[in-house]
Amino acid sequence: DIQMTQSQSSLSASVGDRVTITCRSSQSISRFLSWFQQKPGKAPKLLISAASILQSGVPSRFSGSGSGTDFTLTISSLQPEDFATYYCLQTFSSLTWTFGQGTKVEIK
Amino acid sequence: QVQLQESGPGLVKPSQTLSLTCSVSGGSISSDDYYWSWIRQSPGQGLEWIGYIHYTGSANYNPSLNSRVSISVDTSKNQFSLKMSSVTAADTAVYYCARVVPTTVSMVEPKYYTVDVWGQGTTVTVSS
Repeated sequence: DIQMTQSQSSLSASVGDRVTITCRSSQSISRFLSWFQQKPGKAPKLLISAASILQSGVPSRFSGSGSGTDFTLTISSLQPEDFATYYCLQTFSSLTWTFGQGTKVEIK
Repeated sequence: QVQLQESGPGLVKPSQTLSLTCSVSGGSISSDDYYWSWIRQSPGQGLEWIGYIHYTGSANYNPSLNSRVSISVDTSKNQFSLKMSSVTAADTAVYYCARVVPTTVSMVEPKYYTVDVWGQGTTVTVSS
């Protein structure tokens, strides 16, 4: 099975900060990587697919990069509404998909 | 705009079968491009992929749940369903239904599948 590791379970940041969240896969997954944002009591929201494709309606301060085993979600200037938990998802293996454990972005 | 809505019992007894249905509105479930998925989230925990199905009936399941899980589709009702047998307290979670779509980056690259539309989620508690 492909394991997805988000090394930071949480991070503290201030409004206006540049925030980087990382996700590493246990084997190469090309660009089969998506990023989601989840707020308490809500369903996850798709931010980025194919590692770097910003979804329609998602603010341009969000960006994704990476290929192979190492991926990054960057928020260029953190806004109050961005405090949430972020998950990566690999869809490389048709047999099983796996999420990262999540990274909670908290107010500093 | 496609919307998904989960329905089903909120309480299931241990060893029984959990059954949930996802109703799709604003679009057809019978699209060659889409798959339809179930994902769950245990209290205070992360997300776990359960499986997905194509309207043709082709399905894939999480190997850790494979023997207990079945996903089916009813194109006449524009719905798909989840059945999970022999449930335990560990199956207590919020269950989401979702749509799986391909992202096309270029003509020479594969389609990168992702989950773009989610239902609001339904809480299922396993308890006697």
